[in-house]
Amino acid sequence: EAGVAQSPRYKIIEKRQSVAFWCNPISGHATLYWYQQILGQGPKLLIQFQNNGVVDDSQLPKDRFSAERLKGVDSTLKIQPAKLEDSAVYLCASSFGRQAYEQYFGPGTRLTVT
Amino acid sequence: QQQVKQSPQSLIVQKGGIPIINCAYENTAFDYFPWYQQFPGKGPALLIAIRPDVSEKKEGRFTISFNKSAKQFSLHIMDSQPGDSATYFCAASWGGTGKLIFGQGTTLQVKP
Repeated sequence: EAGVAQSPRYKIIEKRQSVAFWCNPISGHATLYWYQQILGQGPKLLIQFQNNGVVDDSQLPKDRFSAERLKGVDSTLKIQPAKLEDSAVYLCASSFGRQAYEQYFGPGTRLTVT
Repeated sequence: QQQVKQSPQSLIVQKGGIPIINCAYENTAFDYFPWYQQFPGKGPALLIAIRPDVSEKKEGRFTISFNKSAKQFSLHIMDSQPGDSATYFCAASWGGTGKLIFGQGTTLQVKP
């Protein structure tokens, strides 16, 4: 079974530029999550999708972050414009359903904002 | 309070030792407590998880101890190996939401 795929693995941008991250969850997983992991901290949930609908985006800084999951499969997370404090690893995870507590994480995208 | 407090921040043990990592929470609505292991450059991977209706769960060399009244739970790694060197995160979820609240993480080093 293929795992959660993410790209790119690394990205370096200057502040005020925009960036997009892509995630392909495990086949058949209805629930998809984006987390932000700042160096030395645990992952923090940004947004949760159930199929192609948003379940929770209360922690997403909506003035600069946006996410979509068209057709209920792949997802894209965008930051525009980026700030220095957005430097982090962005992790995508998926689960069979919301009540299937086991989440499978991708390798993450390491973003550096200079 | 939607927090999970994890300690220690870092831990060094000799091969064969039993590192213990502790977590505490306040929200009694939490009903699922997983532990994740993360190697550098990788995403977290689920190790073991427990629900509050049991006090202990073992899977291989990994054991979770759960104290519902104290609102604490801990991870024990039996016969630790250098390959166990990683960062460990406790987490909590509630009510079938699927959302996870993670602790700050513990970096474990197992010396040969």
